[in-house]
Amino acid sequence: NAGVTQTPKFQVLKTGQSMTLQCAQDMNHNSMYWYRQDPGMGLRLIYYSASEGTTDKGEVPNGYNVSRLNKREFSLRLESAAPSQTSVYFCASVVGPTGELFFGEGSRLTVL
Amino acid sequence: AQRVTQPEKLLSVFKGAPVELKCNYSYSGSPELFWYVQYSRQRLQLLLRHISRESIKGFTADLNKGETSFHLKKPFAQEEDSAMYYCALSSGGYQKVTFGIGTKLQVIP
Repeated sequence: NAGVTQTPKFQVLKTGQSMTLQCAQDMNHNSMYWYRQDPGMGLRLIYYSASEGTTDKGEVPNGYNVSRLNKREFSLRLESAAPSQTSVYFCASVVGPTGELFFGEGSRLTVL
Repeated sequence: AQRVTQPEKLLSVFKGAPVELKCNYSYSGSPELFWYVQYSRQRLQLLLRHISRESIKGFTADLNKGETSFHLKKPFAQEEDSAMYYCALSSGGYQKVTFGIGTKLQVIP
């Protein structure tokens, strides 16, 4: 049972490059989330998708786009990476209506 | 807007001492509250949630709506409790979940 799978686990980019973080869950969950984790800032919500076909902005959406490709997959795209986007990114899906999240292992992104 | 405040970035306690990790929230509706834990080199995982009223690994948390708090407590800290702890609030259903900045708990042998 893979749960929530994120790729890649590590990535180094140069300023201005683009990339997509992939996330897939095999638990048939409706809602999926992207967070970034920064020291002293905790986890901040970038975007979420309450259900297939819908996406909504979180606290820090600027510089990011998302696609809910199907019920399983939710990708996060950086069109023009900036050093301020150096972070650890977590994908998560909601286990049930109580809002309990199940997380991926994280993707460490460095923008030079 | 929903907000979660964890006032301490770092909490150091000696093994066997009581632990209290503070969490206060701001939300106009009826919130769902959680504590998540991240051990070194592991993924974030749920520790406990207020609706379950359960004790996990000796930790408990009580929702105090009057004080808008959801503090995490353990009577006797263990070295394996050293980790990053996040308090989180859900607006319910399949909606957004907001986290605090996290408190790093360091248990000194």
